Amino acid sequence: EDQVTQSPEALRLQEGESSSLNCSYTVSGLRGLFWYRQDPGKGPEFLFTLYSAGEEKEKERLKATLTKKESFLHITAPKPEDSATYLCAVQDQAGTALIFGKGTTLSVSS
Amino acid sequence: EAQVTQNPRYLITVTGKKLTVTCSQNMNHEYMSWYRQDPGLGLRQIYYSMNVEVTDKGDVPEGYKVSRKEKRNFPLILESPSPNQTSLYFCASSLAGQGNYGYTFGSGTRLTVV
Repeated sequence: EDQVTQSPEALRLQEGESSSLNCSYTVSGLRGLFWYRQDPGKGPEFLFTLYSAGEEKEKERLKATLTKKESFLHITAPKPEDSATYLCAVQDQAGTALIFGKGTTLSVSS
Repeated sequence: EAQVTQNPRYLITVTGKKLTVTCSQNMNHEYMSWYRQDPGLGLRQIYYSMNVEVTDKGDVPEGYKVSRKEKRNFPLILESPSPNQTSLYFCASSLAGQGNYGYTFGSGTRLTVV
């Protein structure tokens, strides 16, 4: 059964304090791993897609990496506006659904 | 602006009163899907559609119906809502091949069934 586990559940950082969020997955044939950002009361906002081990993608202070069993979302020198819940998902083998983790809620204080 | 539009944003209803949540996308996407989000359970797929007149069940379809008569619209129907369907609902769409753009999600519908 496809499964996605994110850790930690919650993370509090000071502004400028870099850290990483973890997403471990088990899936029979990875078709894509996705990172989303979700603000309270809003829909998930697409950040990155990764397809193969060793792949990396960057956007502003965020960098996503992928290995055969997990993905990391690195946040460099975060700002308060980076506070949100970050969701990781894998596409199922049939390509008909995204399997989501429960998310990591990031709080960045100034 | 490319977007997925859901209506209503908020809805309070009573047990057993049929309701429809509408979803419309302006990106000519083939694929559309409904998810519900609950604390501690995350996002779970209810139904999906690969194209017009093609729909199938997701992980939690009980108590829901969908239809896809036009490419842009994918309404979610609750024939007889119950309190356990109180949740935050999201509609999503994508190109059939996914590509690098992921799914585009709507802003959500918060449903309360009393």
